[in-house]
Amino acid sequence: SQQGEEDPQALSIQEGENATMNCSYKTSINNLQWYRQNSGRGLVHLILIRSNEREKHSGRLRVTLDTSKKSSSLLITASRAADTASYFCATGSGGSGGSNYKLTFGKGTLLTVNP
Amino acid sequence: DGGITQSPKYLFRKEGQNVTLSCEQNLNHDAMYWYRQDPGQGLRLIYYSQIVNDFQKGDIAEGYSVSREKKESFPLTVTSAQKNPTAFYLCASSQGASRNQPQHFGDGTRLSIL
Repeated sequence: SQQGEEDPQALSIQEGENATMNCSYKTSINNLQWYRQNSGRGLVHLILIRSNEREKHSGRLRVTLDTSKKSSSLLITASRAADTASYFCATGSGGSGGSNYKLTFGKGTLLTVNP
Repeated sequence: DGGITQSPKYLFRKEGQNVTLSCEQNLNHDAMYWYRQDPGQGLRLIYYSQIVNDFQKGDIAEGYSVSREKKESFPLTVTSAQKNPTAFYLCASSQGASRNQPQHFGDGTRLSIL
């Protein structure tokens, strides 16, 4: 089952603008991760935020997590044409022994940054 | 450079044929995973392995089989029982037995039916 649901499904912006993508989920989680996928390629891990964290930064990326609302957002600031890709959130929940052996992915947001 | 290598990049299957997708990693990761991605969809877990000689079914294991005889390798066989195999298949790995680890992905194999 796909727990994470990204919103919007597609987003088109101009270079230099900020892009915000949202993710909602349904059950309790250990962590939430964001991945990027360029067309026809594998996924690349961007950032992981643990369930006891509220905000995390990495370069031009800012992720927030609100466990009370079961939602997260990914903000990309000062976007570039090279940021054009699909972005997926994935929720990690622990299996036996406390390991997050399973990630559940959403359907993704397709971001297009126009030069 | 460390990473995950999937081969082939493109694969065609005939009716009634089994095909095997290769996945090799040199990251020394314990855990490995196989996902299926359909157009416009997220990833769905087929099988995963936490350690050598052990693996578990994911959400859509029917019609697929795996083996984990070596830490570095986790091949996926798409059997003739999988009636709709056309998809993009992604292999991933992570440092197992610990929480909060990201997964590292290969560049995928695109499987089509002849």
